[in-house]
Formats: sequence, structure tokens, C-alpha cells
Amino acid sequence: ELKVEQNPLFLSMQEGKNYTIYCNYSTTSDRLYWYRQDPGKSLESLFVLLSNGAVKQEGRLMASLDTKARLSTLHITAAVHDLSATYFCAVVPSGTYKYIFGTGTRLKVLA
Amino acid sequence: EPEVTQTPSHQVTQMGQEVILRCVPISNHLYFYWYRQILGQKVEFLVSFYNNEISEKSEIFDDQFSVERPDGSNFTLKIRSTKLEDSAMYFCASKEGLAGIQETQYFGPGTRLLVL
Repeated sequence: ELKVEQNPLFLSMQEGKNYTIYCNYSTTSDRLYWYRQDPGKSLESLFVLLSNGAVKQEGRLMASLDTKARLSTLHITAAVHDLSATYFCAVVPSGTYKYIFGTGTRLKVLA
Repeated sequence: EPEVTQTPSHQVTQMGQEVILRCVPISNHLYFYWYRQILGQKVEFLVSFYNNEISEKSEIFDDQFSVERPDGSNFTLKIRSTKLEDSAMYFCASKEGLAGIQETQYFGPGTRLLVL
């Protein structure tokens, strides 16, 4: 069964701290996406990772992809309150057009 | 800035009724998607659509569901006979292409469907 697992599921952190969210998947894929969802809102695309070793950075967020390990990470540097949201990764298995979402990580940054 | 729009924002219907959810993707986008999210849960892929046909559908997308692009702008999701478990937020998304920045999906604000 295809699985996309994120950990942690919940993360409460202090402002100014660093942390990493992990996304593991159980299928062959070289397409991985990260999204942000604020409570009661739609999804916002953060990163598109399309090859092994891809690294993308935007502000305090950096995402990477290791297709051999079937692992992507979303690293948060010096967290601020505005980063509080739920973060989802999604994988498109090779040979398909189907987006399989992870369980989501609910991040709360405490002032 | 171009955006994906969806109507209605909320829909309440009786079990067994048909509903049509409407989406207007970004105009130069070629790939279209429907997802659903049951409250507090993860996002579930329903269907992808390209070149006027379904390119992929999930196990959820059974015979009760259909999609259509009736004109050059609208993209609709029809649920023929709604069930209680169809209650969810439905998101439409679109993207331009399959390379680099074109791979970025843009999501609409969603339609909250409640089946009574």
C-alpha cells in the first residue's frame, strides 16, 4: 500500500528555534511538493522538487529531496509566529498523475 | 494576480441529490485537478484532467463522480447521488505544465459541501 508519512504530526516550537519536518514515502517518485494550509483556508504551494538532490529555499523555509531514501525534509530556520500553519507534502508516483498527500504536520510557533 | 475561483463557497444538499461544483482555473493552465479534504484530515486526490480527458483518478472517484470542461474556462465536478460521507471541502487546482515553475499548483478557495 502506498504511504506518505510525515513526522511529527504536531509541532509546537518557540520563536527563533530551528526544526525539521520529515516526509517519507513508499513508492518510486521524483516529484515531491510541499504546501501550506492556514486554518479554514485553501492550500498554498511552497516548493516543487523534481529531482534527486533538489534543494529549494524561500525565506525561513528550505526543502530538500532524496529520492533514493524516499525522503524529503522541510527545514525551518529561526521560526516566527507567522509560520504557524499545517504543512503537507505530496508525492506523485512515477508513471502517474496522482498526487498522494501526507498526513500533514500542524506547526504552532509560540511567541 | 491570476487566481483559481470556485463556486459556490458553501453547498448544503440532501442525500441522494446531485451537486455540481464549479471551478475557473487560471486561463493559461493546462492541467486541472479536484481534491477533497474531510474536516481536519489530509487532502485526498480525486482526479486529474488534461487535454479534455481524465488522466488519472483515485479509488474515491467512482461512477458517482464525473468531471467536465464544458467550455474554455469552467471545470466542473458532478456528484450524481450524494452520500453523507461526501461531506467535505472540495478544492480545485490547476497548473501550467510539467517542467520547473510550471509545475506549481494553484488552488481555489474551496467549496464546503454538507450532505444531510
